[in-house]
Amino acid sequence: GENVEQHPSTLSVQEGDSAVIKCTYSDSASNYFPWYKQELGKRPQLIIDIRSNVGEKKDQRIAVTLNKTAKHFSLHITETQPEDSAVYFCAASYNNNDMRFGAGTRLTVKP
Amino acid sequence: NAGVTQTPKFQVLKTGQSMTLQCAQDMNHNSMYWYRQDPGMGLRLIYYSASEGTTDKGEVPNGYNVSRLNKREFSLRLESAAPSQTSVYFCASSDPPAGSAYFGPGTRLLVL
Repeated sequence: GENVEQHPSTLSVQEGDSAVIKCTYSDSASNYFPWYKQELGKRPQLIIDIRSNVGEKKDQRIAVTLNKTAKHFSLHITETQPEDSAVYFCAASYNNNDMRFGAGTRLTVKP
Repeated sequence: NAGVTQTPKFQVLKTGQSMTLQCAQDMNHNSMYWYRQDPGMGLRLIYYSASEGTTDKGEVPNGYNVSRLNKREFSLRLESAAPSQTSVYFCASSDPPAGSAYFGPGTRLLVL
C-alpha cells in the first residue's frame, strides 16, 4: 500500500511568517493529495487538496504544490496567524480510496 | 444535514469485551472509512468500503471487523478488545474520485 512521510513533525513560527510542510509518497499511481487541519480534540477538516493533473493550487493564504516526478507535495501557509496553530496532516490515495496519512505536523504560531 | 455522525462518543471496555462502533452519513457518499488515531501516529486506515456491499482491509485491520449495512451506515466491531486498541476512532465518507473525505466527530475508546 501507499506510504506517506511528513516533515517536520513540529514547526514553530512567528505570527506573519510563512510555514512550509513537506510530504513524500511511495505509490506512483496516487492521484489525489488532500491536506487536513486538526485542532485539539476535534475532527480532521479538509483545508485544501490537489489532483495529479495540477502542479499548484492556491486558496487565499494557503497553497499546495505537487511534484509528481519526485513524488512529493508541500503545504505553504503565508502570513500565519495564531488561529493557524493546529496539527496538519497530508494524505495520498488513488481516486480517494485507501487513503493513507502522514504522521502529522504540529504547527505553533507565536503572537 | 448532519454530515457524518458516530456513536458512542466515549466508551470504556474491559479486556476481552466486545463492542460495535456505529457510523452514518447523510451525504449520499459511496465510500466510507474507519481510521484510528494514536498520539504521534497520525491517522491509520483500518477498513474501507468503496461501495455498498464491499469492504477492504486497510493498514491495520487485525482485531477488527466491519459491516457496510447500507449506503448510509458503516460499523466497526471489536470482538475481543485489547488495551492496544485504546485509541480515538474516526469514521469518514467521500464520493470518489472527485469528492474529498469528511470525518465524523470521533469515538474515544479506552480498553482497560
